[in-house]
Amino acid sequence: KQEVTQIPAALSVPEGENLVLNCSFTDSAIYNLQWFRQDPGKGLTSLLLIQSSQREQTSGRLNASLDKSSGRSTLYIAASQPGDSATYLCAGMSGGSNYKLTFGKGTLLTVNP
Amino acid sequence: KAGVTQTPRYLIKTRGQQVTLSCSPISGHRSVSWYQQTPGQGLQFLFEYFSETQRNKGNFPGRFSGRQFSNSRSEMNVSTLELGDSALYLCASSSFAGGGNEQFFGPGTRLTVL
Repeated sequence: KQEVTQIPAALSVPEGENLVLNCSFTDSAIYNLQWFRQDPGKGLTSLLLIQSSQREQTSGRLNASLDKSSGRSTLYIAASQPGDSATYLCAGMSGGSNYKLTFGKGTLLTVNP
Repeated sequence: KAGVTQTPRYLIKTRGQQVTLSCSPISGHRSVSWYQQTPGQGLQFLFEYFSETQRNKGNFPGRFSGRQFSNSRSEMNVSTLELGDSALYLCASSSFAGGGNEQFFGPGTRLTVL
């Protein structure tokens, strides 16, 4: 059974800082790993998708890496801005033919001006 | 291209009632999945539909059911509502079934059970 853990649960940083969010998963037989952003009371916005055959993906100031052997993924945010404040969720797609997304509990990020 | 839409956005019901939530996927997407989000349990998978067939099901009681129509729109139904069913219900669509596909989420339906 896949379990996804995100550390830290909350993070507060000053504007401009580079930061790393961590995600670990127990089942390395994942199809892909996806990072999402969720603003309060809203749905999920897909940020980056890393297929199991890939090591990393980049989009603008965001870079996500995937290490299946260690069961870890990281989301790197460069030059953080107050608008980056949100909850960041990682989710692994696994389960063989009964595949589904298993989510971590998220990291609440606050970027202070 | 329009994103995933969910209706209604907010619902208030009382215990024992039933509720139906609707999800319209991104145009061309044929897979729709449903998730429940609560502060205590986080996001949990309910079920997935593809081509009008339920492909996968999470660990929820039979009070939770769903269906998908020929135009890929999906509905989920919760019968005999309990206080613990209060949650944000999210649906996600992807272009086709299969574990490697990117999931795109709608804004959710906030259900409050009194």
